[in-house]
Amino acid sequence: KNEVEQSPQNLTAQEGEFITINCSYSVGISALHWLQQHPGGGIVSLFMLSSGKKKHGRLIATINIQEKHSSLHITASHPRDSAVYICAVDFNDMRFGAGTRLTVKP
Amino acid sequence: EPEVTQTPSHQVTQMGQEVILRCVPISNHLYFYWYRQILGQKVEFLVSFYNNEISEKSEIFDDQFSVERPDGSNFTLKIRSTKLEDSAMYFCASSLDRALLNFGDGTRLSIL
Repeated sequence: KNEVEQSPQNLTAQEGEFITINCSYSVGISALHWLQQHPGGGIVSLFMLSSGKKKHGRLIATINIQEKHSSLHITASHPRDSAVYICAVDFNDMRFGAGTRLTVKP
Repeated sequence: EPEVTQTPSHQVTQMGQEVILRCVPISNHLYFYWYRQILGQKVEFLVSFYNNEISEKSEIFDDQFSVERPDGSNFTLKIRSTKLEDSAMYFCASSLDRALLNFGDGTRLSIL
């Protein structure tokens, strides 16, 4: 049973497009994390959310606790945004989604 | 900018041997974590460590695994009697306040 579901699995966009990646979870959580995994494997933490919305540069993350759903948006996408984006939830331990592979073409 | 450092970057070990993966967290951070990612699979939580003791651990983190903070700066993951299925990328992370996590670049463990 996968407690964290991400969609889509793969996403290809043209430079400049608005990107949305979705995350749904089935357990009660204390917080949700969005992570970026670079092609070389390194992982960067983008956001931690427990409610509402956060913005950092061109990235926006929202969470709806009642609906158990979070979205990550990228505005004005750029080829350097190409990476795997991972949703992870703080349950008793941390549960990870399988990731969304984003490719932004110039 | 401070960063989490992991060594070695790649470790090759014979099945049955013990390995120690090393991490130097960011110096003022209080929370420490180990994760693993088997090739082509999702990241999995192994263990979290706070105040010199394990705070949470997953089902994966059985008696084969142990963690230690031996000297106030290093944070180690020991895997005893390694198995082929232990082959994975192991990531260490640290956090000041359990909010944003700072990840190391990972250690690729290959069990032969």
